[in-house]
Amino acid sequence: EIVLTQSPGTLSLSPGERATLSCGASQSVSTLYLGWYQKKPGQAPRLLIYGTYRRGAGIPDRFTGSGSGRNFTLTISRLEPEDFAVYYCQQYGTSPTFGQGTKLEIK
Amino acid sequence: EVLLVQSGADVKKPGESLRISCQASGYDFSGYWINWVRQMPGKGLEWMGRIDPSDSSTTYSPSFQGHVTISVDKSTRTAYLQWSSLKASDTAIYYCARRSTAFDIWGQGTMVTVSS
Repeated sequence: EIVLTQSPGTLSLSPGERATLSCGASQSVSTLYLGWYQKKPGQAPRLLIYGTYRRGAGIPDRFTGSGSGRNFTLTISRLEPEDFAVYYCQQYGTSPTFGQGTKLEIK
Repeated sequence: EVLLVQSGADVKKPGESLRISCQASGYDFSGYWINWVRQMPGKGLEWMGRIDPSDSSTTYSPSFQGHVTISVDKSTRTAYLQWSSLKASDTAIYYCARRSTAFDIWGQGTMVTVSS
């Protein structure tokens, strides 16, 4: 099983700032099968990024994914109030797994 | 519109059985795997398993193998997640999700509470 470890656990920032979220894998992950999701309380997860850097439908361009091998990053260029949420990375190969999540909170 | 609509919240006692559902609409149901994901209270997302509606083949996470059963009814475009004997630790929100490029479409979630 591929274990994904996200850092930091909690990120405290202000609207307008840049957020950088990391996802490390216990073994190499194909860039085709790495995604990021946003999760808010009471809502279903929302696909942000798939295939490492491709944005999901309707996702604003302030969300950018990057990385390869065992290290991946989600960058939010200028935080909007609605961006404060929990973010999960996921590898969706043969046996999918999620990271434990990064909580992005308002400073 | 592509939608996954899940069954409503349920409250059960330990040892009882349960089947929750996920009905798809707006796309070729047989063309995409349906996955089930668990979120326990205050915890993260866990992949449980998936089914290919075209042939009903399933793959389970080792953590859930033998504890749940995933099935599908193509005639009603519905996927199911079932337990034969619930435990208190099964209390969680369960989501179904379509596997396209990634998990691109999600159901609204089904809250399952298991309590004596």
